Amino acid sequence: GQQLNQSPQSMFIQEGEDVSMNCTSSSIFNTWLWYKQDPGEGPVLLIALYKAGELTSNGRLTAQFGITRKDSFLNISASIPSDVGIYFCAGQLENRDDKIIFGKGTRLHILP
Amino acid sequence: EPEVTQTPSHQVTQMGQEVILRCVPISNHLYFYWYRQILGQKVEFLVSFYNNEISEKSEIFDDQFSVERPDGSNFTLKIRSTKLEDSAMYFCASSDPDTHTNEKLFFGSGTQLSVL
Repeated sequence: GQQLNQSPQSMFIQEGEDVSMNCTSSSIFNTWLWYKQDPGEGPVLLIALYKAGELTSNGRLTAQFGITRKDSFLNISASIPSDVGIYFCAGQLENRDDKIIFGKGTRLHILP
Repeated sequence: EPEVTQTPSHQVTQMGQEVILRCVPISNHLYFYWYRQILGQKVEFLVSFYNNEISEKSEIFDDQFSVERPDGSNFTLKIRSTKLEDSAMYFCASSDPDTHTNEKLFFGSGTQLSVL
């Protein structure tokens, strides 16, 4: 079935460092979304991308919709302790099925 | 800020029992979804619902599952005869009908279902 490959699976970084994670697929997407999930909570939307090549920022977060429409990345600059959590990429496939599929997540740990 | 609310937050049930998970989507949203997340794993699509009918469902959403919008505010997921492998966090989500925002899902905090 359709699959999003998200990497890395987990990251251990120092506070203040920049973070980069990405998602790739063999399928073409109409929409890319990045969510953050805190323990015991539902995913919260961070950034939504709608056009190939689109680069969007939300504070210290920046995400891009890949030119091929098969990938996306999320960058976090100058990480802070509250950035800890699981980051999921998600997307809506080109055939516009009424579902969003998720990657397996990147678990971000920040070392003191 | 409007939010998706889910009840209960935790549900413990015996294998073979029926459970109903409840959700109140954001009031002006028209697309509704159920997802589940097995502990430590990714968020998996179960079903989408629009205009009072299922618009898409995954292979996970078999005959044991059903959804209903019994009134203008609630959206429920029923599991008829629970199995051990149904233990997971179940998330309800809804989205706005606008052209560019119907893909943006807003999630509830989830119902943790434990099947014993």
